[in-house]
This record gives sequence, structure tokens and C-alpha cells, in this order.
Amino acid sequence: DVQMFEFGGALVKPGGSLRLSCSASGLTLNDAWMSWVRQAPGKGLEWICRTRSKIDGGTTDFAAPVKGRFTISRDDSKNTLYLQMSGLKVEDTGVYYCTQFDFWGRGTLVTVSS
Amino acid sequence: SYQLTQPPSVSVSPGQTARITCSGDALPIQFAYWYQQKPGQAPLLLIYKDTERPSGVPERFSGSSSGTIHTLIISGVQAGDEADYYCQSADSSSTYVVFGGGTKLTVL
Repeated sequence: DVQMFEFGGALVKPGGSLRLSCSASGLTLNDAWMSWVRQAPGKGLEWICRTRSKIDGGTTDFAAPVKGRFTISRDDSKNTLYLQMSGLKVEDTGVYYCTQFDFWGRGTLVTVSS
Repeated sequence: SYQLTQPPSVSVSPGQTARITCSGDALPIQFAYWYQQKPGQAPLLLIYKDTERPSGVPERFSGSSSGTIHTLIISGVQAGDEADYYCQSADSSSTYVVFGGGTKLTVL
């Protein structure tokens, strides 16, 4: 069975930075197209970014609200995916999931507040 | 930006059939995916590539497509099906992943 684990969520002040991590068991992350999806409190799902598999070039795409502020990367030796977030805004608050859509972790909570 | 439109809420009685629609201009050329999310839980994939069902998902859940409108069909609705349901697809260039706004299913 595939299991995803996200961690690194925290309380951050507006303008701050944070790095989220995602590890997986049963799945080699560099073989998969991986996305980060977030969910603001009481709101719907919002796709924010994706990295293609290594064999497909590993290129990335970002949704408009996070483009230029967030980056996505992998550490293949650790089978870990990262989401580096900077210039955080109050509206970035939410639960962040890493997923290739078949499988989802429990998410990690990011709270941006002064 | 590209959007998928779902009704905010659908209500059905137990045993009846619920239909949740998802409309989007690119749906004739892009697959739709459907997720169920219960409070405090991560989304669960119900339908992929318009009509395919992952192993473990009951046959009561099915998907259909017709042009710009895709539909999640839940037959013989049960109380445990009460949840939020989301469709997901991509824009016409396949650059961006998009979720619908979600539909809250209420079992009366």
C-alpha cells in the first residue's frame, strides 16, 4: 500500500517562509507526477503546483496565487518532495496535501497570522 | 482562469440516486476525476479518467460524461455517503490542474 506523509506545517507571520516536506512509502516520488493541493479552513480543494516525473523532465507548474512565491523540489536520495513557501500571506493558511491523486496523506496545517 | 462548476449542494433520500454535475469548457478533451471528502479526512479518489473506479470503491459510485458536463452518480445512497464531493480536471493545455468548488451531499 502507498502512504503519503506531509510535515513541516507551522504558525508563520505574514511575509515569512516555510518549507513543507512530503515522504512516501510504497511509491518512488521521482517516478510520479506529484502535486501540492491545499484547503483553506471550511473551503474547497485548491491545486497549487506540480512537478512532473523525472523521466518526463521534472518540470513544474504553479497556480497563479503562488507563482513566484512557492517552489517545488525533490530529494531523490530521501524519496522526499518539498514545497518551499516564501512571502506567505494570510490567505495561504490551510491544510497542505502532497498527492499524485490516487493517494493522499493527512496533510499538514500552515497558519499565517500575525 | 479555467474553472469547473459544481452545484453547492445536493440532497437525496436514502436508497435514491444522487447525481452531481461538473461543467467546464475543456471537459470534452480532458478527463474528469471525482473525490469524496468527509470532515477531518483527506480526499478519497472515487472515479478516474471519467468512468474508471479504483479497486475498493463500491460499484454504487459511477461516472458519466457528455460534452462539457460530467456527472458523478451515486446509486442506492446511504447515510455514510454524506460528504463533500469534488471534481478535478485540467485546462485545455494540460498545464493547470483545477478542482470544482465542491458539492455537499446531504442524505435526508
